[in-house]
Amino acid sequence: DAGITQSPRYKITETGRQVTLMCHQTWSHSYMFWYRQDLGHGLRLIYYSAAADITDKGEVPDGYVVSRSKTENFPLTLESATRSQTSVYFCASSERKKETQYFGPGTRLLVL
Amino acid sequence: QQQVKQSPQSLIVQKGGISIINCAYENTAFDYFPWYQQFPGKGPALLIAIRPDVSEKKEGRFTISFNKSAKQFSLHIMDSQPGDSATYFCAATYNNNDMRFGAGTRLTVKP
Repeated sequence: DAGITQSPRYKITETGRQVTLMCHQTWSHSYMFWYRQDLGHGLRLIYYSAAADITDKGEVPDGYVVSRSKTENFPLTLESATRSQTSVYFCASSERKKETQYFGPGTRLLVL
Repeated sequence: QQQVKQSPQSLIVQKGGISIINCAYENTAFDYFPWYQQFPGKGPALLIAIRPDVSEKKEGRFTISFNKSAKQFSLHIMDSQPGDSATYFCAATYNNNDMRFGAGTRLTVKP
């Protein structure tokens, strides 16, 4: 199916472990984004990518790493998970940065 | 520091009533103001958007009102329905900058 998918949908991990969240889109959109959603904060941008091999920090990048070797994939890695990274993570894509962003279904991450 | 302030945090409206959600911003450079709708367990989806060259935009039962001098914009949902129950986010951006989202409003429409 066309669209944007995320995996896993739910993840429980422990403090200090490395976790990778996957994001895949089939539209060939240039831009891809990672947001975290926390109560009272709305959506906050972690990292974004304007094209393959081009990434840049957002508002809350500390503790996260991204890569984009292919246009359609944009994985987000928590190198050493902390409890404060417990959140719902959304991936999004758009053709241009200031255009409609299409969001995936989200990954609910719990760090114990 | 939240660049877009959204209120109220939650809203309960009777079926058929008008739902009003407000957002305020400080950065006068913002020139694109979208509203996203999010149902439980789903990602946000664009509902309606406005640019500051117009004061109002209407799509069906949904209307954005924009007040450039007050640096405020609001979403009005006319004839609110239980199916409108969702969380609504306002957002703002300009040029090639990051989209800034409000904290969200959880709307419940009672039958």
